[in-house]
Amino acid sequence: DAGITQSPRYKITETGRQVTLMCHQTWSHSYMFWYRQDLGHGLRLIYYSAAADITDKGEVPDGYVVSRSKTENFPLTLESATRSQTSVYFCASSTVIQGEVGFGSGTRLTVV
Amino acid sequence: AQKVTQAQTEISVVEKEDVTLDCVYETRDTTYYLFWYKQPPSGELVFLIRRNSFDEQNEISGRYSWNFQKSTSSFNFTITASQVVDSAVYFCALSEVNRDDKIIFGKGTRLHILP
Repeated sequence: DAGITQSPRYKITETGRQVTLMCHQTWSHSYMFWYRQDLGHGLRLIYYSAAADITDKGEVPDGYVVSRSKTENFPLTLESATRSQTSVYFCASSTVIQGEVGFGSGTRLTVV
Repeated sequence: AQKVTQAQTEISVVEKEDVTLDCVYETRDTTYYLFWYKQPPSGELVFLIRRNSFDEQNEISGRYSWNFQKSTSSFNFTITASQVVDSAVYFCALSEVNRDDKIIFGKGTRLHILP
């Protein structure tokens, strides 16, 4: 039972570079989410998706782009990375929006 | 806008003591869901419970119990006879059914169980 797989687990990138964080789930869940976790802020929703080709902004979407061409994949792209985007990023999925949300192991991104 | 407040940033208790983590929420909806998640030092997020707004019954699962009170907009989490393995960050979350359906998390409470 693979569940949700995030890659890479750790990433260091330079300011201004584009970086994509990958998320793949094997549960066939319709909903997928991207959160960032920062000290003092808890988990903040970046983007979410109700199904393939349907995405919506969360609390902190600026500087991020998502796509969902296939149900199982939900990549998150930082178009031009900034130091403020240094964070731990969690991908999650759920059968329905209010269902149990299962999380990936996280990607620790450092922007230097 | 929906909002979740976990006023306790950090709590330390001695092992075997009971501890309650507070969660207060704000919503304009009558239909919503509340959640608790645990994040141990290893970093993964573990689902603990989901409760819908029409079910105010308290829930008990082993040493864990949850007290949902709509009158005070609170969904508190109690650990009885705490153990060192309970040391973690605990997050409360809210989802409004009839609005934009986002699941919003509180900032978390870091719980230290001292041996």
